[in-house]
Amino acid sequence: AQKVTQAQTEISVVEKEDVTLDCVYETRDTTYYLFWYKQPPSGELVFLIRRNSFDEQNEISGRYSWNFQKSTSSFNFTITASQVVDSAVYFCALRAVYNTDKLIFGTGTRLQVFP
Amino acid sequence: KAGVTQTPRYLIKTRGQQVTLSCSPISGHRSVSWYQQTPGQGLQFLFEYFSETQRNKGNFPGRFSGRQFSNSRSEMNVSTLELGDSALYLCASSWRGRERRTEAFFGQGTRLTVV
Repeated sequence: AQKVTQAQTEISVVEKEDVTLDCVYETRDTTYYLFWYKQPPSGELVFLIRRNSFDEQNEISGRYSWNFQKSTSSFNFTITASQVVDSAVYFCALRAVYNTDKLIFGTGTRLQVFP
Repeated sequence: KAGVTQTPRYLIKTRGQQVTLSCSPISGHRSVSWYQQTPGQGLQFLFEYFSETQRNKGNFPGRFSGRQFSNSRSEMNVSTLELGDSALYLCASSWRGRERRTEAFFGQGTRLTVV
């Protein structure tokens, strides 16, 4: 069975603090994709990053960075120097490769950044 | 390039009625998926269409149905509405080739309230 766990329900930080959102996944597939999406109050899920299971390179994009570790089945997301505009719900998702676009989502982590 | 467009944005229906939601994918995207988002169950996969064919279906009752047209636009229908169908319904589109798929891009959703 495939499953994504985001144990942190809600995180509150003050602006300029660094924050890490945790994601742990389960799958029997040897090839899969992992994603992070951001959902602001408007409701739309905004794509942030995609990672292939065969590419464990970590990635940095501006203030965002992602740490993918197959050994611990984790795909964590760090925001450096958080800003109020980062306040949103963040979802981690898993997709098997073959013949489907179906995403398995975690329950999301609500991030509140206070000024 | 226009994003995924969902109409209507908001809908209020009475128990027992039926409803049709519409989704126009990004131009060139032929894969469309639907998700239901509720506070209790989170984001759950409803179904997936590619080239007018349903490729995958989530664990929802038969009251939930969908279709895709030749221009890739998709509709989902919920018959005999129940209070528990109140949710944000999200549509996503992606480009899908023989060897590759892009990530899913989401619309802003249709918020359905059943009273």
